Amino acid sequence: QSALTQPASVSGSPGQSITISCTGTSSDVGGYNYVSWYQQHPGKAPKLMIYDVFNRPSGVSDRFSGSKSGNTASLTISGLQAEDEADYYCISYTGTSSPYVFGTGTKVTVL
Amino acid sequence: EEQLVESGGGSVQPGGSLRLSCAASGFTFTRFAMHWVRQAPGKGLEYVSTISGDGRSTYYADSVKGRFTISRDDSKMYLQMTSLRAEDTAMYFCAKDLLEDTTRWGQGTLVTVSS
Repeated sequence: QSALTQPASVSGSPGQSITISCTGTSSDVGGYNYVSWYQQHPGKAPKLMIYDVFNRPSGVSDRFSGSKSGNTASLTISGLQAEDEADYYCISYTGTSSPYVFGTGTKVTVL
Repeated sequence: EEQLVESGGGSVQPGGSLRLSCAASGFTFTRFAMHWVRQAPGKGLEYVSTISGDGRSTYYADSVKGRFTISRDDSKMYLQMTSLRAEDTAMYFCAKDLLEDTTRWGQGTLVTVSS
């Protein structure tokens, strides 16, 4: 199972919006509405930001939103803030004997 | 409060073995599938293994299949790692509910494979 493809880095100025893509196949991202997004700050455990493609856990800012089209899921961060600078990972269910696959990760930089 | 605490990491030579543990508290452990995820130094997250709530079903990433064995009892999950390679060097996290809003992660335990 190959890792889902994400851009290595995305940057934006405070207040701007950025979008991170997560491209898989019809066997993972495209086949199920089970895509989640994690945020990870250095030295910390990952934090769930989006689940089931577009749902936000309680306590996560509504500046974070998710979507999916075909085999590509996307995470959009609106009103970018300094605290959003972190690594972001998508994860999808695959329905195979290796049932989960992570994305390659995207480093978000706030300029 | 739900909590997951990993232990058992350390340094081991290539070809060696190590057993990781994940102690769970604050939730009904046997109701939930549990997972191991690893992260090599400076690299991304990688799925490792899953065990069902009743322990009867197990799943592995291709990279560890045949070398790692996941198991659990009433309050702990384990990862028996054998034939370790340099590329297994990573922080190993245990987690509950990888894809859902009820997810919880531990802080990780570091495994270093080096001669």
